[in-house]
Amino acid sequence: DGGITQSPKYLFRKEGQNVTLSCEQNLNHDAMYWYRQDPGQGLRLIYYSQIVNDFQKGDIAEGYSVSREKKESFPLTVTSAQKNPTAFYLCASTRDRAGGELFFGEGSRLTVL
Amino acid sequence: AQSVTQPDIHITVSEGASLELRCNYSYGATPYLFWYVQSPGQGLQLLLKYFSGDTLVQGIKGFEAEFKRSQSSFNLRKPSVHWSDAAEYFCAVEYIFGTGTRLKVLA
Repeated sequence: DGGITQSPKYLFRKEGQNVTLSCEQNLNHDAMYWYRQDPGQGLRLIYYSQIVNDFQKGDIAEGYSVSREKKESFPLTVTSAQKNPTAFYLCASTRDRAGGELFFGEGSRLTVL
Repeated sequence: AQSVTQPDIHITVSEGASLELRCNYSYGATPYLFWYVQSPGQGLQLLLKYFSGDTLVQGIKGFEAEFKRSQSSFNLRKPSVHWSDAAEYFCAVEYIFGTGTRLKVLA
């Protein structure tokens, strides 16, 4: 079945370590997105990519980095510069760059100790 | 800039009662509008969407929403709520989300 796979589902890291969250899709979608979710704040956009080898910052990109070397993959690195990295992270995709329905992964919960 | 406002953080209704969740947006053109639902610890599932045409759209699980351009609103409704509808609901303009409304259903 087609879909979006995020891994790992749960991740614990020590403060000051970089962490990379994986997001893979087999939907042949052009655009991919990373969101951060905190209680009461909804989904806030970190980065998005509308085409391979190109990506744009969202509202809260500071302390995060991404790459889009392949159409199906959009990994997110949470760097040590992110001041409050503990959160639930969601990856999503849309079929094309013109907007449309977002398809979501199951999320990754990062806890920084 | 695009923005989405969901003024109700929490809503509690009794099972069988009607439901309306409010959503207002700011966007320069005719927007693509969405409602998504999220169960705890899970990703989001699409309930319904509006792109153009009929301003009353039907979705899954008996939900509907009405697009009102003059009010910049896209409110979600359900005539009779079931206990399984308890979840968090998000309104979105394309890929920009509101802060969500958490629905509690009383038996």
